[in-house]
Order: sequence, then C-alpha cells, then structure tokens
Amino acid sequence: EIMLTQSPATLSLSPGERATLSCRASQSVSYYLAWYQQKPGQAPRLLIYDASNRATGVPARFSGSGSGTDFTLTISSLEPEDFAVYYCQQRSNWPPVTFGGGTKVEIK
Amino acid sequence: QVQLVQSGGEVKKPGASVKVSCKASGFHFNSYGFSWVRQAPGQGLEWMGWISAYTGHTKYVEKFQGRVTMTTDTSTTTAYMELRSLRSDDTAVYYCARDTPRDDFSRGGFDPWGQGTLVTVS
Repeated sequence: EIMLTQSPATLSLSPGERATLSCRASQSVSYYLAWYQQKPGQAPRLLIYDASNRATGVPARFSGSGSGTDFTLTISSLEPEDFAVYYCQQRSNWPPVTFGGGTKVEIK
Repeated sequence: QVQLVQSGGEVKKPGASVKVSCKASGFHFNSYGFSWVRQAPGQGLEWMGWISAYTGHTKYVEKFQGRVTMTTDTSTTTAYMELRSLRSDDTAVYYCARDTPRDDFSRGGFDPWGQGTLVTVS
C-alpha cells in the first residue's frame, strides 16, 4: 500500500499570503495524484487531478506540481474562503486508493 | 447539474447492517464508476472501495472484504453501499463520489461527492 505523508499538519497564514502544501508518497505514483479541499461539515471538493490539472470551476490561484514521490499544492494568495483542510490522494496501481493525513490551513 | 444525493443519517446497533444510497443526476450514470469513502469523527478520509456502473466490477479494501457490498441500479441511477456486522468504530460519515468506470484507469479524481451520510453505531 502506498502511503502519503502531508506536511505541515497545520499552516497558519494570513489572507493574501502564499500557501505551500507538501505531499510525499512512499513510492512513485507517477502523476496520479489529486488534491481536495474540505471545509467543516462539508464533503471534500476536487481541486487538482493528475498532479497539475485544475478541476472545473477551481480558481487559478490554486496550482499543483510534482511527479513521482513529491508533490506540492500552492495557493498563490489566500482568500478568506480558502481556510480549510486539504488532502492529497493517489490512485497509482490501485486498489487501494489512499489519502494523506491532511493539512489544515488556518488563519494566523 | 451534476450531483449525488445520499440517503439520510442512520443509527444502528452493533452487529447490524446499514445500506447507504447515492442518487445520481445530471450525467450519464452508466459511463462512470463510484467510490465510497468514509470519515470517522475528527479523522481523515478512508477509501472503502469502488464499483463501475459500466461493467459492474468492484474493488474493495481488504479490511472490508466480506463485510461490504457495493451495487448500482441503472434503472434508478443509484449506487448503494451495504456494510454488515457493524462495530462502534464504523461510526463515520460515509461519502459516495463519482469516479472512473474502468478498473485499469488511474487518472482523474473523485468529482463530485455526495453530501455524506452519518452512520452512528451505538
């Protein structure tokens, strides 16, 4: 089973700042990595798929990069609605599909 | 619009079974698969398995083998997840999500998700 490790666990930033979230895989997942945003009491929402493709309707301030074992989600300038928990997910050689433990982006 | 609407919350006794439904609309049901993901209170996301509405193929996480059954009903465009022999640690919000129809395909993500169904085992 491929393990995903997200860092940091919590990111404390102010609106307007840049957020950089990391996801590291225990073995190569090629580019089969997605990112999700989850707000309290809501279902997750797909942001990025195949490492760097924005899902429909996702603002351009969200971008994904990486391949193999190291991936990054960048939010170029945090908006108030961006404070949430973010999960990475891999589906290389599934099953199983696995998720990282999440990074909480909180207001500083 | 594309959406998945799940059935309402359930309270079950240990040892019982629960069946959660996921009604799809706004897209061609038979062209997709559906994954089921659960989230225990205050915890992260756990993938449980997948079913293709196109082929009927299923893939389950090993820990749920023998306790879970995923099905689809193309006539009502509804996906179902049944979990048996419930334990207290099965208490979680259960989500369905639209997924790939093919088990040899790794691209893409889960989009959209249902609103979630809280299953409480107590």
